Amino acid sequence: QVQLQESGPGLVKPSETLSLTCTVSGGSVTSGSYYWGWIRQPPGQGLELIGNIYYSGGTYYNPSLKSRVTMSVDSSKNQFSLSLSSVTAADTAVYYCARNFRWFGDVGWFDSWGQGALVTVSS
Amino acid sequence: EIVLTQSPGTLSLSPGERATLSCRASQSVSDNYLAWYQQKPGQAPRLLIYAASSRATGIPDRFRGSGSATDFTLTITRLEPEDFAVYYCQQYSSSPKLTFGGGTKVEIK
Repeated sequence: QVQLQESGPGLVKPSETLSLTCTVSGGSVTSGSYYWGWIRQPPGQGLELIGNIYYSGGTYYNPSLKSRVTMSVDSSKNQFSLSLSSVTAADTAVYYCARNFRWFGDVGWFDSWGQGALVTVSS
Repeated sequence: EIVLTQSPGTLSLSPGERATLSCRASQSVSDNYLAWYQQKPGQAPRLLIYAASSRATGIPDRFRGSGSATDFTLTITRLEPEDFAVYYCQQYSSSPKLTFGGGTKVEIK
């Protein structure tokens, strides 16, 4: 059974870059059956897609965050990563990595999630 | 962008009762490309339903998804104590522009 685990700093200063890594076990990031996604959830609020990435490097970023987001895949470490630049307090959230089922070549539902990582933006 | 509106915001019910949760889309969700998730406090969301009515692996049959086009429903036929949680719908019709609904909280009355 696949497992995902987020890692990275829990505290980031305003204007700096938030960086998180998701380590996948029990499955491969190079599987052609899945995309790999990042979703965030501000405290007490709902879910927001940040974006997703395919093992070959193709990406989709939420237009509202696109100018600040970069995602990448490291197949040698079976990991994928998120960078979000120029953060503000509004970026404080629990960040989840998740496996996205590839449905007829398109992005589908999230069938496995990491436990989440709380990232606080504060000086 | 397809906007998903979930109602009610909160549902107060007792164990054993039936829960009916609604997810309405701002435009038609083609091929019933809609999923439902359950989230308990401090936990990640868990996939319940995909393709509007297909249960994910290990999900009890008291969870039933239905609907089409712009109106979708998640029904929990008989609430168990562990079912009190927040539920989200998510569309993948406009892939890769996935969107989530705002959630419905099912609380103990």
